[in-house]
Amino acid sequence: AQSVTQLGSHVSVSEGALVLLRCNYSSSVPPYLFWYVQYPNQGLQLLLKYTSAATLVKGINGFEAEFKKSETSFHLTKPSAHMSDAAEYFCAVSSQAGTALIFGKGTTLSVSS
Amino acid sequence: NAGVTQTPKFQVLKTGQSMTLQCAQDMNHEYMSWYRQDPGMGLRLIHYSVGAGITDQGEVPNGYNVSRSTTEDFPLRLLSAAPSQTSVYFCASSATSGGAGEQFFGPGTRLTVL
Repeated sequence: AQSVTQLGSHVSVSEGALVLLRCNYSSSVPPYLFWYVQYPNQGLQLLLKYTSAATLVKGINGFEAEFKKSETSFHLTKPSAHMSDAAEYFCAVSSQAGTALIFGKGTTLSVSS
Repeated sequence: NAGVTQTPKFQVLKTGQSMTLQCAQDMNHEYMSWYRQDPGMGLRLIHYSVGAGITDQGEVPNGYNVSRSTTEDFPLRLLSAAPSQTSVYFCASSATSGGAGEQFFGPGTRLTVL
């Protein structure tokens, strides 16, 4: 069975600081991994996805994530936080392309000036 | 393309009432699914469909029915609403061939059961 663990339900950073959101997964098969962002009262928007083509994945809004098989991790980073990055972030995994996702419980990112 | 659309955006029900949440997509995606989002729980899969006429249960199917008569539509029916079904419901669709097949999400339906 697949599962996703997001470490830290809340992360607070200052504007301009590094953003690091942690995600560990469990999967018996090579996984498809995703990060989604949800702004208040909105739906989910895809930030980036891992499909085995490259271990370092670049997404929208300056975010990137690195797939580390040995650590079963897919942490999300951004070098410099912006106020507009404040949102809830979800890591998700699936075993087959285009099938249902198993989500982590989410991490709320707060950015202070 | 409109993508994935959901109606209504908001709904208030009384315990025991029934209703249908509508979901449609215009991307010709084979795969469609319904999730519910609750605070601190992430999104949990209710039901999914791999194509017209084929549906299956997800993690939390109790109290919900689905059907898939066309590729475009995937309605979710609440048979007898309960306060525990107060949640935000998201419909999603994806292609199962070509690329990573990421899920595209609708804007959500916020349901309150009194």
